[in-house]
Parts: sequence; C-alpha cells; structure tokens
Amino acid sequence: EPEVTQTPSHQVTQMGQEVILRCVPISNHLYFYWYRQILGQKVEFLVSFYNNEISEKSEIFDDQFSVERPDGSNFTLKIRSTKLEDSAMYFCASTDARRGYSNNEQFFGPGTRLTVL
Amino acid sequence: QKEVEQNSGPLSVPEGAIASLNCTYSDRGSQSFFWYRQYSGKSPELIMSIYSNGDKEDGRFTAQLNKASQYVSLLIRDSQPSDSATYLCAVDNYGQNFVFGPGTRLSVLP
Repeated sequence: EPEVTQTPSHQVTQMGQEVILRCVPISNHLYFYWYRQILGQKVEFLVSFYNNEISEKSEIFDDQFSVERPDGSNFTLKIRSTKLEDSAMYFCASTDARRGYSNNEQFFGPGTRLTVL
Repeated sequence: QKEVEQNSGPLSVPEGAIASLNCTYSDRGSQSFFWYRQYSGKSPELIMSIYSNGDKEDGRFTAQLNKASQYVSLLIRDSQPSDSATYLCAVDNYGQNFVFGPGTRLSVLP
C-alpha cells in the first residue's frame, strides 16, 4: 500500500542553524501539507502546497519557513534559523485532490522529530 | 478562529466494552470530518471519514455526525487493549487544511 515517507526520523540541531525536512508524498497525490505537533499539544497546520506553489499558510509559517518541491517526488520544509520553540514533530501529509473539493482524506507520514538545542 | 473540541480524557473502558469518543466543532459550514488514531510518538493514522449526517460503520468503528448540533462521535465496539491510543478529531477547513482537536486519550483495560 502506498505511503508517505519522511526523512530523517530525528533531527537534532543547534539554535540558529538551518534544517531541511524531507517528505515523499504518495505518488498520485496532488496536495501536500506540513503540520507540526509540539509535545503534548494538538496537531497544527503549517502550509499546504499545490501545483508548485503555496495554496495556504498559517500564522506559524512565518518568513523563517519555506517549502519546495525540488523534483517530481520530494517535498521539503526548510527552517532557516531554528529557535528553541521549533522543537516539535513535523508531519507531512498528502491527499488525492481528485476525490473532490472537501472530501479529501489526508494521509500522514511517520514524522520527523526536530530537537533544537 | 475555527475550533475543534474534545474531552482530553483519559477515557478508560474495560476490554470488550464500547468506547464512545466525542467531538464538537465551531464552524457550522464544515462539511467533512475525520477520525485519526495516534499512538504515542507516532503519526496520526486515518480511521474514518464522514461527510453526511447519520452513522457510518467500518468494522468495529462507527462514526456519527450531527451537523445541526455540530457534533461528531466515534464508537469503538469490542474495545481491545491495542485500541489504547489518542483519538484525534479533524475537521476539513473548506479544502484548505485540517483543524485538529486536542485528542482524547483512550485506555482499554485488559
């Protein structure tokens, strides 16, 4: 069964460093998402991506964040200068937009645990 | 700000019992609703989606939707210890993203 994959599973970085989190969405899916979950808190939306551009972003997704689809399979989240409060699980998700406008089940990858020291 | 509310739990049920998980949402225009299961340290795993008022059954799981009351529930029949997890209610935000509730922690006691 196709699945979303993410690398690395755990990333440890120093405050102020840049990190890139990688995702490979399900191959026939067209919409991609990044969510984050701070330990003990709810899953929060960061950004959605369609047709090689951002379709929506949340207040969390400030100028320190960027997303890119550098090739036909990878979808990346870059944090330019990490802060302590960026420590969280980052989940990539994708959906088959052909199911329809609202009836889009999102499938999540296993996540990357980011630890900022 | 769209809100999705759930009781945080823990909800404890004995093995074999029915577990009932509830969720309310603030946006009356919401159309699509999803239940995810999340084991500790893992990612959300889709259990069910529901779009129409009424019940939708899939194996031991039944989702119930009442749009007039802005209420979604998930029933788990014949609960097993392996069902012990946090259950997340998610509401589609007009096709843009999902708004998640805080989750209800379920503990099924052997």
